[in-house]
Amino acid sequence: GAVVSQHPSRVICKSGTSVKIECRSLDFQATTMFWYRQFPKQSLMLMATSNEGSKATYEQGVEKDKFLINHASLTLSTLTVTSAHPEDSSFYICSAKSDSNYGYTFGSGTRLTVV
Amino acid sequence: SQQGEEDPQALSIQEGENATMNCSYKTSINNLQWYRQNSGRGLVHLILIRSNEREKHSGRLRVTLDTSKKSSSLLITASRAADTASYFCATGGGNNRKLIWGLGTSLAVNP
Repeated sequence: GAVVSQHPSRVICKSGTSVKIECRSLDFQATTMFWYRQFPKQSLMLMATSNEGSKATYEQGVEKDKFLINHASLTLSTLTVTSAHPEDSSFYICSAKSDSNYGYTFGSGTRLTVV
Repeated sequence: SQQGEEDPQALSIQEGENATMNCSYKTSINNLQWYRQNSGRGLVHLILIRSNEREKHSGRLRVTLDTSKKSSSLLITASRAADTASYFCATGGGNNRKLIWGLGTSLAVNP
C-alpha cells in the first residue's frame, strides 16, 4: 500500500531556532499534501494544504511566515517551523493525497518540543 | 476545522467485547472515512463508506451510515488489546480535498 515516510519522529530544539520536518511518499506521487497539528488528546487541526509546484494554502490563523511549507516535487513536502517557541511544541502530521489513490495516507508524525 | 462529533469520547471495554463508536456530521457528504491512531503515531485509514451505502464490513469492522440522521457508527467486534487506540471519523475530500475531522473516541481494550 501507499506509504508516507515522515522524519524526524522526535525533535527537541531551542527557542529561536528553526526545525524542518520532511514527508516523502515512497511508492506513489503525492499531488496534494496536508499538514496537521495535533494537541494531546485532541483531534487534528489542519494547518495548510500544498499542491506540488504551487504555494501552500494556509488555514485561518496559521502564520505562513512561521510555518514554511515547500512541496517542490511529487514525492517530497517539507514543513519548517521558523523561530520556534515553546508554544509551537506539538505533534505534527502530514497526509498525502494522490490523484490515483482514493484514500489519504498519513506520515507517522513528528513530536516537536521547543525548550 | 472540526465539525464532526464522536461519542463516546472515551470507551473502556474488556477483551472479547464489542466496541461501538458513533460519529455525527453537519453537512452533506460524498463519503465518510474512519481512521485509527495509536498513541503518538500517525493515522491509519480503516474504511470508507460512500453516501449511497448504508453498511460496510472489513474484517472485524462494521461501519454504518445514516445520511438522514447525518451519523455513522463504527463497530469493532471481538475486540483485542491491540485495538486500543483513538478512532476518528472524517468527511470531505471533495474538490479541495480537505477532510473535516471528528473529535475522536479513545478506546481502551483491557486484557
